[in-house]
Amino acid sequence: ETGVTQTPRHLVMGMTNKKSLKCEQHLGHNAMYWYKQSAKKPLELMFVYNFKEQTENNSVPSRFSPECPNSSHLFLHLHTLQPEDSALYLCASSQVPGTGDDSPLHFGNGTRLTVT
Amino acid sequence: SQQGEEDPQALSIQEGENATMNCSYKTSINNLQWYRQNSGRGLVHLILIRSNEREKHSGRLRVTLDTSKKSSSLLITASRAADTASYFCATGPGNQFYFGTGTSLTVIP
Repeated sequence: ETGVTQTPRHLVMGMTNKKSLKCEQHLGHNAMYWYKQSAKKPLELMFVYNFKEQTENNSVPSRFSPECPNSSHLFLHLHTLQPEDSALYLCASSQVPGTGDDSPLHFGNGTRLTVT
Repeated sequence: SQQGEEDPQALSIQEGENATMNCSYKTSINNLQWYRQNSGRGLVHLILIRSNEREKHSGRLRVTLDTSKKSSSLLITASRAADTASYFCATGPGNQFYFGTGTSLTVIP
């Protein structure tokens, strides 16, 4: 158990569907992240939330909409996706720098998304 | 791009041998971190080295950091089949951690 739980593990959706990915952390962290991992590409940092406030949006298309209702939960709402959005979506958490010791990222096991 | 870049892309060794992988980055850093990813799983943190440190050990892992060359290396000694995984370095300003494409390590029993 990683302390960061992602659901669902696998998701197949059509381009016109709306779905949501969920992430929950049980580590008492105050920062949460979404990453996208595609084959043969570097992990792409999508969004960063510090203390529930979004601090980073790396030019992510608006068809991806994050939501962070509290420090323990993070969602990624998906709408009108493209086949090239198929990837492994990873959630992570950490302490915000400056709020404690150096804090590495703790990852969930990801959601494997296939857009048909 | 601020991401770290790992080298080589793939590495295959016999069990018991040492494995060395390298990371280069482009910006000044507070720390550099190494992660491992088993197939189909999330990344797991291995070791963190601060910018004012040159070398750090953790079990069979040895990490070096050369800030003048903006590079780091990860050495895994006495490798085991269970070390088969992808290895990534990560750097970034604040908590914007950027990763490379990783080194895929295969340890042959």
